[in-house]
This record gives sequence, structure tokens and C-alpha cells, in this order.
Amino acid sequence: QVQLQESGPGLVRPSETLTLTCTVSGDIISYYLSWVRQSAGRGLEWIGRIHTTGGVHSNPSLTSRVWMSVDTSKNQFSLRLTSVTDADTAVYYCARDSQGFDYWGQGALVTVSS
Amino acid sequence: DIQLTQSPSFLSASIGDRVTITCRASQGISTYLAWYQQNPGKAPKLLIYGASTLQRGVPSRFSGSGSGTQFTLTISSLQPEDFATYYCQQLNSYPITFGHGTRLDIK
Repeated sequence: QVQLQESGPGLVRPSETLTLTCTVSGDIISYYLSWVRQSAGRGLEWIGRIHTTGGVHSNPSLTSRVWMSVDTSKNQFSLRLTSVTDADTAVYYCARDSQGFDYWGQGALVTVSS
Repeated sequence: DIQLTQSPSFLSASIGDRVTITCRASQGISTYLAWYQQNPGKAPKLLIYGASTLQRGVPSRFSGSGSGTQFTLTISSLQPEDFATYYCQQLNSYPITFGHGTRLDIK
């Protein structure tokens, strides 16, 4: 059984960097891991994906601010989003990325506020 | 970016009804389309991938069809647990995009 769990600060100040970790148990080696966020105003928005071999693709709307990494020894994936604003307030999910996103974390609410 | 337009945005139906949700892509995406169900406060759940392949464990009352730019999700006989929001997603090209959702309420 595959399980994913997001962790990180729930509150980030404007202009600072949002950092989240996705810890995976189960089979992730052959798959991409995608990050998705959801807010009332923007619906579901794909942030990007990273493979355990290091291949990365990100949403062009966020590329300049997004950085993704993987630590295979810990089965952990990280997301960093720099220079955050109110518009980055959302629930952030990580998901195993196959022919669809078949396993998801429970989501982490991140609020951008001073 | 490929835009996905779902219709309707809201749908009221009764237990036992057959319902169909449509997803139209702004350009052809072959069959690189998935459908998700989401309940409040929960992560989306994959129902169908490849436009018509049922994800393991998903009841057979769910079905998907289509290719190119027109896709449908059909629920053959609504059950109480089916009242939720449904999203389509295209995985044909970057960036991966989602539709804006169809909220299915009980009548």
C-alpha cells in the first residue's frame, strides 16, 4: 500500500519561502511525484512533477519560483516556492503520478499572511 | 496551456439516477484524460484514467469515454456516496491541467 504525507509550516509570511516535504511509504521508485495545490479562487493547479531519477517538470506559471527535490534514501520529496504572496495560500498535495494521480497525501493547508 | 471545460458546473440528481458529466479540451489530447472524485476536506480520488480505464477498486457504475477533445464521465445509478465534486485532468502535455469541477448534489 502506498501512503503519502505532506508536512511543513502552516503559516508563511509574504515574500518568504514556502517549504513542504512529502514522505512516501510504498512503491514510488518507478514513478513521478507531482505537487498540486487547491484554493477556492484557482481550483486544482498542478505545480510540477519530479522523478526519483531527478527528472523535473514544472508549471510555466510557477517555474521561476518553484524548486523540487528528492531524497531517495529517506523516500522524501521536497517543494520550495519562493517569494510567496496571498495568492499562494492553498491546500498543497503531493500525489503519485502514474497514468493519473493514483495516490494522494491528505493535503497541507498553507496560509500566507503577515 | 490546454483548457478543460466541464459541464455542467452544478448538477442535482436523485439516488438511482444516471448522470453524465462532460469535459471538453481546448485541443486534442488523445485519451490522456483522468477523472477524479473529491469530497469536502479530502484529497481527490482517481476514478478513471486513459479516458476509459477504471481505477482498481472503483465501482463499475462509473465509466468514462471519449478521445480527442470530448470526454464523458457517466455514473449509471447514483448511490449516496457519489454526491461529491468531479474533476477531469489532462496529462497529454505540459502543464498538466484540471477542469474547474462539477458539483453533484442530491435533489
